[in-house]
Amino acid sequence: GIQVEQSPPDLILQEGANSTLRCNFSDSVNNLQWFHQNPWGQLINLFYIPSGTKQNGRLSATTVATERYSLLYISSSQTTDSGVYFCAVGSNDMRFGAGTRLTVKP
Amino acid sequence: GAGVSQSPSNKVTEKGKDVELRCDPISGHTALYWYRQRLGQGLEFLIYFQGNSAPDKSGLPSDRFSAERTGESVSTLTIQRTQQEDSAVYLCASSMTGGGGYTFGSGTRLTVV
Repeated sequence: GIQVEQSPPDLILQEGANSTLRCNFSDSVNNLQWFHQNPWGQLINLFYIPSGTKQNGRLSATTVATERYSLLYISSSQTTDSGVYFCAVGSNDMRFGAGTRLTVKP
Repeated sequence: GAGVSQSPSNKVTEKGKDVELRCDPISGHTALYWYRQRLGQGLEFLIYFQGNSAPDKSGLPSDRFSAERTGESVSTLTIQRTQQEDSAVYLCASSMTGGGGYTFGSGTRLTVV
């Protein structure tokens, strides 16, 4: 099956810093999504981005489908950005990476 | 409804008992997915329903696990003869079509003692 690798596994930032999270995948896909799982376990869909670039406030994402990777950018990080960021890829049903655990310190 | 609803939110059961977990998707969403998340781990795909098509059961870990969905509405995930390794959060998601953007429920935390 499709392999999904996320990096880095852990990231600690000072409030206000910027960061880039990466997702590599092993096969062509027509669906890629980024999620944030908050410390209470709720999963929030950040982007549906099988290709191209999208922006939503301080977050943006870029997927280069031909090179099988996606990037999630977080600018001016805040403590509320803490949690685990998951990349999921697939066609109809999705496979998740192991996640990047982000801690933003005040 | 406005979101994906899962019940119960927490379930503690004795080893060997059967449990049923319920998922109410967003109205109009034809696709429904079940995932399992063990403590500190990523999400493990279990099963996918799309409309009236045969479900994709390729992620079910054993024949103790089964799931049903009535049309495009409620789904039930059943675990028979529960084992301690079944302890996890079971998450349900729905999307407007297969391959669309997911909306997740809050999950059912299952503890097998």
